[in-house]
Amino acid sequence: GAGVSQSPSNKVTEKGKDVELRCDPISGHTALYWYRQRLGQGLEFLIYFQGNSAPDKSGLPSDRFSAERTGESVSTLTIQRTQQEDSAVYLCASSYGLANTGELFFGEGSRLTVL
Amino acid sequence: AQSVAQPEDQVNVAEGNPLTVKCTYSVSGNPYLFWYVQYPNRGLQFLLKYITGDNLVKGSYGFEAEFNKSQTSFHLKKPSALVSDSALYFCAVRGINTNAGKSTFGDGTTLTVKP
Repeated sequence: GAGVSQSPSNKVTEKGKDVELRCDPISGHTALYWYRQRLGQGLEFLIYFQGNSAPDKSGLPSDRFSAERTGESVSTLTIQRTQQEDSAVYLCASSYGLANTGELFFGEGSRLTVL
Repeated sequence: AQSVAQPEDQVNVAEGNPLTVKCTYSVSGNPYLFWYVQYPNRGLQFLLKYITGDNLVKGSYGFEAEFNKSQTSFHLKKPSALVSDSALYFCAVRGINTNAGKSTFGDGTTLTVKP
């Protein structure tokens, strides 16, 4: 597609429910990132996929968070047993190539509200 | 550990005046530096980056930034602000040895340009 696509754009859920967020990166981009943006704060790194390499999961805040990516295509971020502190905008980004010099292309985010 | 500081939460300027949004960083080794802009209800968009070479980098929408190694700064500038420049601006850094997934972002600066 023309850009990074994320769904749903908004999700309201009850505490304790599981949620799944989806990201469709730009075609041909080998790298995919998930970030979390809490209200009024910067971006918090969650996880990074690069091609078929093992993902860097070092930013996932707890074992309730997991993410998958099939090849160089769609990724899903799953949050189990959601808590109110999980409320945030979850941003997905993709970039081309292996180097640290590439800029990120972001989706418009999935806003999660946990009641 | 790498870090980014954006010392001003808010910057207010009058249309037509020059603007500066400040960013300082800390990273091991040479830095790769990025600026992103987030318009209301939109995803982050890449503005410009410094990788190597000329310390003055020009980017989208007439923005530029100057890399200053001795002051570890990468301030964003524009000679003449427009009302449409009003947005949230993020500075980000990666080190040359940093895992490509771990861009570290500042907390953002809200720029308001008044007519």
